[in-house]
Amino acid sequence: QQPVQSPQAVILREGEDAVINCSSSKALYSVHWYRQKHGEAPVFLMILLKGGEQKGHDKISASFNEKKQQSSLYLTASQLSYSGTYFCGTDPRETSGSRLTFGEGTQLTVNP
Amino acid sequence: NAGVTQTPKFRILKIGQSMTLQCAQDMNHNYMYWYRQDPGMGLKLIYYSVGAGITDKGEVPNGYNVSRSTTEDFPLRLELAAPSQTSVYFCASRLGQSTDTQYFGPGTRLTVL
Repeated sequence: QQPVQSPQAVILREGEDAVINCSSSKALYSVHWYRQKHGEAPVFLMILLKGGEQKGHDKISASFNEKKQQSSLYLTASQLSYSGTYFCGTDPRETSGSRLTFGEGTQLTVNP
Repeated sequence: NAGVTQTPKFRILKIGQSMTLQCAQDMNHNYMYWYRQDPGMGLKLIYYSVGAGITDKGEVPNGYNVSRSTTEDFPLRLELAAPSQTSVYFCASRLGQSTDTQYFGPGTRLTVL
């Protein structure tokens, strides 16, 4: 079942913050976040695992609430380079047949 | 390491033609995947493989076929191309577990006219 991402699109000024949410109707083992620039392949940002952990990568961080089956991506003090479409990929399996189901994406535009 | 490579980068097909999209990885990954991405949309899983000789259907397998005779290669075959198959196709691979990073190839942009 495809995860639901919100919002669908967001426009920011450089330096502003944003939150992107990813919700699933199924219990999850892991959530993966990717960023895709126009005309390019998705690029890996981070993985969050069952256990409710939080991770950070420069000014981008994420959390995973397994009880709510929801993950959030936090972009702090956004830069022009953050523009792109953000996808979450979810996986209910730990090993056997592991595969990601992706949301429809959140288009983020950062303006000067 | 080249990572995940795909050929060709671009292709135009006529309705009814067939073709094979090539995908290779040099990271000794067990799992490989084929996705399609329509304009402005997310990634839909077509087929995947958990090892040489083992393949399974994803969400949108109709009109496609795959084979995996080696760990490195995972070609996607389109039979009788239709305009609905116009899309960008991404191949991806990962070592095997849910905790492993999934790497994407650069994509093949296919147009069926």
